[in-house]
Order: sequence, then C-alpha cells, then structure tokens
Amino acid sequence: DAGVIQSPRHEVTEMGQEVTLRCKPISGHNSLFWYRQTMMRGLELLIYFNNNVPIDDSGMPEDRFSAKMPNASFSTLKIQPSEPRDSAVYFCASSLASGANYEQYFGPGTRLTVT
Amino acid sequence: EDQVTQSPEALRLQEGESSSLNCSYTVSGLRGLFWYRQDPGKGPEFLFTLYSAGEEKEKERLKATLTKKESFLHITAPKPEDSATYLCAVQPSYGGATNKLIFGTGTLLAVQP
Repeated sequence: DAGVIQSPRHEVTEMGQEVTLRCKPISGHNSLFWYRQTMMRGLELLIYFNNNVPIDDSGMPEDRFSAKMPNASFSTLKIQPSEPRDSAVYFCASSLASGANYEQYFGPGTRLTVT
Repeated sequence: EDQVTQSPEALRLQEGESSSLNCSYTVSGLRGLFWYRQDPGKGPEFLFTLYSAGEEKEKERLKATLTKKESFLHITAPKPEDSATYLCAVQPSYGGATNKLIFGTGTLLAVQP
C-alpha cells in the first residue's frame, strides 16, 4: 500500500489567497483526520470524518477553514482567505476503526507558508 | 479537560545510555494510549498502542508501559538512528465510540555516537 498521500508537499501563497490541501487515505480505511502542527501548539486535530461524514470539527479554527470528503478515497482542506498565522504543517491521517484498533497512519504533510 | 503532558521536552543521550520518556495524562476515560515517532520533515509513524494498566509492548530497543496515570517509553542501549521526536497520544472514551486522539507536544531525543 502506498500509505496516505498528500498534495502538494509544499505551498507558498500570499495572504488573502485560497489554499486547497488534498489527501488520499489508505485504501479500506474508514476514518480520516486533518491535523495542524506548529512549534508553539504541537499537533492539533482540526476535523475528522467517519465513513465520509464529518464527526467532530471543533478544532477548526474559524470559518475560513472548511473540509470535505466527497468519497472514501479523497478529502480536501480549504483555507479562504489565508493569513500568515495559518503557516504550519498540515497532516492527513487515516485509520480503520474497528474493534480495539484505532491507530492512525499519517501522510507526509503539506508545509504551508502564507506571506 | 483532557490533557497529555510529555517530559522531558528534550533529551540528549550517548549511544548505549538507556533512559525513559514520560507521558502523563488526564482524560475522562481512556480507550487507548498511543506512541508515535516523528522524524524531521515527515509525518508521525505509529509505534505502539496500550489499552490497560500493566500492559507492556516492545519493539527492538523500545518498550512502552502503561499505568492509570502515565506511560513510559523505555529506550535500551539507544543508537543514533533512534534520534527523533517521540509523541504520546490518548484516545478518550466519551461513553461511546470516538476515534479522536489528543497528542502531547513530544520529547525530542538526540542520541550521540
């Protein structure tokens, strides 16, 4: 399996622009997570989906952030408009939540820089 | 409030010098505790899951243990390739199924040859 795939790996944009991050989870996994990692705050959960349905979006910082999962193999995280404080590494993770197994597998991340 | 605290923030060891990393947690019901390793520029890599107090798991030079309030990651005779940030996460049990993980801020381990 190729693991979790994220694109782009690096994104540099100017303040006010729209940014779209993409994620392909591991085939067969039924849960997908979006995280943000910064030096100051560590790894923060933004939103997660079970069977393509958003379950908990309490970590989404504000209305500028939105996430979708139109099918089991694709998800997007969109920031519009972007701000310099959104600069961080964004990770997507997936898991097969069944029985006692809930470990999450992470993608390589997208490093976002907003100038 | 659910919380995970890791210590120390950073640890420098000589090759072969064994030590332990700590993860203390406060959570309303624990479904599982997870350890991850993160190398620079990469995503966290899953290491272990522990579910109940007294449980232990091992992988090469790493051994994870769990009590009711904390977990330890013991590193025996570390090598330079063990250098990484080690992250601890808890999965709360809110009276129903949840996949949510709450992460600590990690311990940055450097092993010098």
